[in-house]
Amino acid sequence: EPEVTQTPSHQVTQMGQEVILRCVPISNHLYFYWYRQILGQKVEFLVSFYNNEISEKSEIFDDQFSVERPDGSNFTLKIRSTKLEDSAMYFCASIGTSGSTGELFFGEGSRLTVL
Amino acid sequence: GESVGLHLPTLSVQEGDNSIINCAYSNSASDYFIWYKQESGKGPQFIIDIRSNMDKRQGQRVTVLLNKTVKHLSLQIAATQPGDSAVYFCAETGSARQLTFGSGTQLTVLP
Repeated sequence: EPEVTQTPSHQVTQMGQEVILRCVPISNHLYFYWYRQILGQKVEFLVSFYNNEISEKSEIFDDQFSVERPDGSNFTLKIRSTKLEDSAMYFCASIGTSGSTGELFFGEGSRLTVL
Repeated sequence: GESVGLHLPTLSVQEGDNSIINCAYSNSASDYFIWYKQESGKGPQFIIDIRSNMDKRQGQRVTVLLNKTVKHLSLQIAATQPGDSAVYFCAETGSARQLTFGSGTQLTVLP
């Protein structure tokens, strides 16, 4: 079964450092997402990406965050200068060609710990 | 602002019993609802969805009920098994492709 893969599974970084989280969405999917989940809390939308540009972003997704699809397979989330409150699980997700939210496929997540 | 929330944070059921997990939503414009299951250390996994023009949808051992009058969504799991232990989130589409998740209910299946 196709799946969304994310790396790294866990990253520990010092406050102020840049972090890049990587995702390989399902190959024929066109819509890509990043969500965040702070420990014990609900999953929160960060950003959606379609046709090589951001289609929607939340208030959380400020100037410290950026997304990129550098090639035909990877989808990255960059946090320019990490803060303690950025510690969370970050989930990448993708949807098929219809664009319907129908079945959003999530990756296993990347746990970010900011010290 | 608009939100999706859950009535109970935890639910414990005996193995073999039926489980009912509830969710309230406040955005009357929502037209699509999804239940996700999240096991510890994993990403959310799609369970079942329902559109606002329906009030009930059944899957394998799961049923989702939608009451638009009171903006209430529920997930029923028949014959709950130990593998069903997880956090369950309801989600709704607040915009075309952006999901808004509820806070989650921890389901624990007791032997």
